[in-house]
Order: sequence, then C-alpha cells, then structure tokens
Amino acid sequence: DSGVTQTPKHLITATGQRVTLRCSPRSGDLSVYWYQQSLDQGLQFLIQYYNGEERAKGNILERFSAQQFPDLHSELNLSSLELGDSALYFCASSVIGELAPQYFGPGTRLTVL
Amino acid sequence: AQKVTQAQTEISVVEKEDVTLDCVYETRDTTYYLFWYKQPPSGELVFLIRRNSFDEQNEISGRYSWNFQKSTSSFNFTITASQVVDSAVYFCALSGFQGAQKLVFGQGTRLTINP
Repeated sequence: DSGVTQTPKHLITATGQRVTLRCSPRSGDLSVYWYQQSLDQGLQFLIQYYNGEERAKGNILERFSAQQFPDLHSELNLSSLELGDSALYFCASSVIGELAPQYFGPGTRLTVL
Repeated sequence: AQKVTQAQTEISVVEKEDVTLDCVYETRDTTYYLFWYKQPPSGELVFLIRRNSFDEQNEISGRYSWNFQKSTSSFNFTITASQVVDSAVYFCALSGFQGAQKLVFGQGTRLTINP
C-alpha cells in the first residue's frame, strides 16, 4: 500500500458526460501528479500541483482540469467525455526536493461508452 | 526532449531463470533521475528504485539488480532466479532535475514467468 488513495476505483459513463476523480496524497506529501495510462499512448503525465498551486502541465486536454485543495487532496475533472478518454488515471504524490520518488495510487479506471 | 525506450515489449522465461530488462534514455539535462516501476496484474504502480545521474554504482536489492551506464545512456534491470510473482509490466522512467518533476515513462516490458 503506497498510502495514496484514489476514488472511485471504477467509473463507467457515457460520451459527453463529466466526471470527477479524487486523490488523497500520502501524509506529508505536498506534491500531487496526475497520469493517464492508455493502450495507445502509454503512461503520460497530465498535471502537477504543489501545495495548492499548479506547478507543471503535460499533455492535458483543455476538457480536463484539476485542482488541489487546502487539505492537499486533489481532483481531476474530465468533461465532454469521448470514447478515447477511456483509460486508467493515476494519481501520485511525493515530497519536493532531491527528486523524491513518486508513489502511485491504485488508479481509477474510466470507461466511456 | 526526454525519451525512454524499452525495446523489449514482452519477455517470457521459465521460473528460476535470470532475466534482464533493457532501458535506454535520452535527455539533454546534465542532472536527471531514473526510476523503475512495477505494475502487477492488479494494476497499481509500485516504485522499485531511483538513481540520480551522478551515481553510477550498480545496486542490488535481493534478487533485483540495476546497472546504470551513463556512457550508453542505459539503466538495465536484472531479476535473478525469477519467480512467478515477478510477472508484471515493468516501466523505466526519467525525470529532469529542473522545472517540472514529471516522469517520462517507457512503453513498458511485459514479463511473464512460467512455472
């Protein structure tokens, strides 16, 4: 158990809908990262937050947004969903400094029908 | 741009054999970090090791060992006396030191250990 929690574990929805994925980092970790794992794109970095502020953006679509709250949990919002958004979405957390390892949550499997 | 290549898509061996997973990386950074993660069939990503670019010492942890060669931009992972529980997808990843600490992953190597 990495100490990172993600909910829900599975999510099935329809095209055009909006969903919210939730992540709680390990105790003491201020940095949260979101990654998408799909068959065609592999594991791709989406976005990073540090202590409530956006720190870096990767290949994140404009239909996707995220935020980190004062209690450090983070949410990834996916809107106007398309079939191609079906993927496993991981949250990871780390301390900052010395390129600390990122510890990953169990992931949320999103299926868009 | 940073890039990680894991040329072996799938490897299948018989239990107790030794197996090496290859990882080659590209980066213009002089300081960077390399990682290996394991993704078992249950789906989670498990951190195995982190190595910084200044430390080329090989590392051994039980049946696992890692060989970092800066001259060839490689960070290979060897499992000695493989076991069925080692069956998983293994990912090599790279992160720069400056700016975003995002991980750039290779495509992964699916390792199957047959009894």
